[in-house]
Amino acid sequence: DIQMTQSPSTLSASVGDRVTITCRASQSISSWLAWYQQKPGKAPKLLIYKASNLESGVPSRFSGSGSGTEFTLTISSLQPDDFATFYCQHYNSYSGFTFGQGTKLEIK
Amino acid sequence: EVQLVQSGAEVKKPGESLKISCKGSGYSFSSYWIAWVRQMPGKGLEWMGIIYIGDSDATYSPSFQGQVTISADKSISTAFLQWSSLKASDTAMYYCARRTRDGDFDYWGQGTLVTVSS
Repeated sequence: DIQMTQSPSTLSASVGDRVTITCRASQSISSWLAWYQQKPGKAPKLLIYKASNLESGVPSRFSGSGSGTEFTLTISSLQPDDFATFYCQHYNSYSGFTFGQGTKLEIK
Repeated sequence: EVQLVQSGAEVKKPGESLKISCKGSGYSFSSYWIAWVRQMPGKGLEWMGIIYIGDSDATYSPSFQGQVTISADKSISTAFLQWSSLKASDTAMYYCARRTRDGDFDYWGQGTLVTVSS
C-alpha cells in the first residue's frame, strides 16, 4: 500500500506569512494528489486537485506543486481564516484512497 | 447547488445496529461515486469505502471490510452506511463525500456523529 506522510505535523505561523506543507508518498503517484482544509467541527474542503489545480472558489493564495513522491501546499500570505488542519490525499485503483495524517496550522 | 445532507447524530449502545444516510441533490446522483470517511475524536481522516450509485458496486478499505456495509438507493438519491453490531470504538464523526473522476472529493456532507456507549 502507498503511505502518505505529511510534514510538519504542526506549524505555527503569523498572519501574512508564507507557509509550505509537504506531503511525501511512499512510491510514485504521478500527480494524483489532492489537498483539503478542515476547520474544527466542519467537513473537509477541497483546495487543490491533481497536485496543482486550484478548486473553483478557492483563493489564489493557495497553490500546490509536485509530482512523483513529493508535493507541497503553499499559502502565499496567511489570512486569519486560513488557520486549520490540512490533509493530503491520494487515490489509486489498487489501494483506494489514502489520506496523510494531517498538518495543524496554528497562530503564532 | 450540489448538496450532500447527512442524517442526524446518533447515540447507541454496544451491539446495536445502525444505518446512517447521505442524500444528494443538485446533480445527477446516480452518475457519481459516494465515499464514506471516518474521523475519530481528535484524529485524522480515514477512507472506509465507496459506492458507485449507478450500479451500487461498493469497494471497501481493507480496514473496514466486513465491519460496515455501504449501500445506495438511487431512486431517492441516498447512500447509506450501516453497522450490524456497534462497538465503542465506532464512536466517530462519519462523512460522506462525492468522488470526482480525478479521485478527489469535491463535495462533502456535514457529518454524522455516532456515539456508542453503554
